[in-house]
Amino acid sequence: AQSVAQPEDQVNVAEGNPLTVKCTYSVSGNPYLFWYVQYPNRGLQFLLKYITGDNLVKGSYGFEAEFNKSQTSFHLKKPSALVSDSALYFCAVRSIWGKLQFGAGTQVVVTP
Amino acid sequence: DVKVTQSSRYLVKRTGEKVFLECVQDMDHENMFWYRQDPGLGLRLIYFSYDVKMKEKGDIPEGYSVSREKKERFSLILESASTNQTSMYLCASSYAGASTDTQYFGPGTRLTVL
Repeated sequence: AQSVAQPEDQVNVAEGNPLTVKCTYSVSGNPYLFWYVQYPNRGLQFLLKYITGDNLVKGSYGFEAEFNKSQTSFHLKKPSALVSDSALYFCAVRSIWGKLQFGAGTQVVVTP
Repeated sequence: DVKVTQSSRYLVKRTGEKVFLECVQDMDHENMFWYRQDPGLGLRLIYFSYDVKMKEKGDIPEGYSVSREKKERFSLILESASTNQTSMYLCASSYAGASTDTQYFGPGTRLTVL
C-alpha cells in the first residue's frame, strides 16, 4: 500500500531563513509525489509534483522539492521564508486511478 | 485557470438530517473526488468517480453516498447526518492519466452537525 509520512506536526522558522518541510514515502513501483498548501479556511493549492526526471522539482511561490530515492524522501524547501508562507502543507503520493494518499500535514509558522 | 466550486462554505445541520454537498468543475475533468479533512488525520478519501454515473468507494465511505449524473457535477450525500460527520469536506477534480492527473481542489465546506 502507498503511504506518506510527515514527521513534524509543526515547523517554526524566522522570516528570511531557509524552510524545509519533510516527507517520506512508501510505495511499490515508481512514486508520483505531490506537495499542496492550505491557507486558513481555504482549499488545497497545488505546489509541485515529481513524476520522473530531474530530482529537483521547482514549483509555485519559490518552493522546490528534492526527490531522494535511496532515502525515500521528498522534502519541500524554500531558500528564504516569508511570513505569508505560514500555512498547512501536505505531502501526497499517487495511487491507482489517480487517487492521492495524503500525509497528516505540517503546520508552518514563519515569524517576522 | 481551473475552477472547482462547492455549494456552501459553511453548513449547520441537525442529527438525522439528509445533507447534500455539491461540487462543480469547469475543466471537463474525468475524475472527481470527495475528501474529509480532520486535524491530525490529513485528508481521507470518501468516494471518487472516474466517469459519469461511475463511483468507487474510498477509504471511509460508511455513512456517505455520491451521485454523478453529469460530468461537471459530483454530489456527496449524508443519508442521516451524525455528529461524527462534523468536518471539513473538500472536493477535487483531475484529468485521467498518470502524468496529467494533478488534482485541483475547491474551497471546502465546513459542516457542523448538532
